[in-house]
Order: sequence, then structure tokens, then C-alpha cells
Amino acid sequence: GNSVTQMEGPVTLSEEAFLTINCTYTATGYPSLFWYVQYPGEGLQLLLKATKADDKGSNKGFEATYRKETTSFHLEKGSVQVSDSAVYFCALRRGSYDKVIFGPGTSLSVIP
Amino acid sequence: DAGVIQSPRHEVTEMGQEVTLRCKPISGHDYLFWYRQTMMRGLELLIYFNNNVPIDDSGMPEDRFSAKMPNASFSTLKIQPSEPRDSAVYFCASSLDGETAEAFFGQGTRLTVV
Repeated sequence: GNSVTQMEGPVTLSEEAFLTINCTYTATGYPSLFWYVQYPGEGLQLLLKATKADDKGSNKGFEATYRKETTSFHLEKGSVQVSDSAVYFCALRRGSYDKVIFGPGTSLSVIP
Repeated sequence: DAGVIQSPRHEVTEMGQEVTLRCKPISGHDYLFWYRQTMMRGLELLIYFNNNVPIDDSGMPEDRFSAKMPNASFSTLKIQPSEPRDSAVYFCASSLDGETAEAFFGQGTRLTVV
């Protein structure tokens, strides 16, 4: 079946450090891929998405590239801020009837 | 649009009581999802609907859990009887049709069963 695997963390970084959160997926065909972010006490919200191979999603300085050959969608940011502290979820959706499948989430803490 | 609206935001109940969580999806969305989030198990999909019809309820943990969607603008998740292990944050999300469509989440209901 379809599934998502991501590094579980927690990840602790200093402000302005480079961030990478790894995400790999298993799916038939070519799913759409998403990164969601959850700030404390809130629901998940979409951060970025990519819908086909080699697409790059970007938002708020975050980027992720859909790599079909490695079935990966790693999240990156060049310089993190304290306000980026949150839990990040990688997700996929495959097919019109298919549910949105989430990875386990990666907690990020950015310290000044 | 106001987004996905869940009520109540917080619920504290005693073991054995019935609990009903409510969700109003974004107007025009075809899909509605119910998720449960705990520290131990992360984010779990409980059930989802397409055009008010349940598509997959394999994530519903037990017969104590039931969900309905009587119309396109309202859904409920009911737990009867509730148990302390049901304590979690329950999220409702909705989306348009199509695999490129993202899910929009509500703020969640934090349920505590004592």
C-alpha cells in the first residue's frame, strides 16, 4: 500500500542553520506530494506541494523537489528562524478516491 | 470562507459518557476526513467521506466510534462509551476532489476523558 516515511526527530537547530527533513514514499503510480506544518495548538496547514516528477514546491523559504527516481520529497530551508519551530508532516495523495496519507511528523525546535 | 470549523475546541468528559464532535467543512469540498492525533501514535486517519458517503472507515478503532455525514455541510464523530485512552486531539479536514488537492484542517477538538 501507499505510505510515507520521514525522519522522526526531534530536530534542534540554531537560528540561521540549514534545515533538511528527509521524506520518502511508497506508492503506485505518481502521487501528489505535500509538506504540512503544525504550529503549537493549531491544526495542520499546507506548506508546499508538488504534483509531478521534478516539480519543486516552495513557500516561506522552504523548498522540496519531487524526485521520482529516489521516491523522495526532502524539505529544505537555507536559514531557519525561531518562528519555524513546529512539527512538519510529509504526505501523499494518490488517485481521486484516495485518502491523504501522512508521515509520522518531525518536530523542529530552533533556538536563538 | 471561514475554513473548516470544529466544535467544541475542548471537551472534558467522564469515562462512560457519550461524546460528539462536530465539523463543518469548507463549502464546495467533496471530501471530509477525520483524524486523531496523540503523542504515542501520531496522526491517524479514522474515516473519510466523499460526497457524504463513507469511503474508508478501516481506521476507526472500535465499534464505540461512529461517524456520520448527513449533508455536505456537517459531520459528526461520536464515541460511546468514551474511555480514557480516547483522549487525543481530533481533527477534521476537507478537500476538493482530485489527487492534487490539499486537505484543509480545522483547529481540532482536544478531548480529555477522565
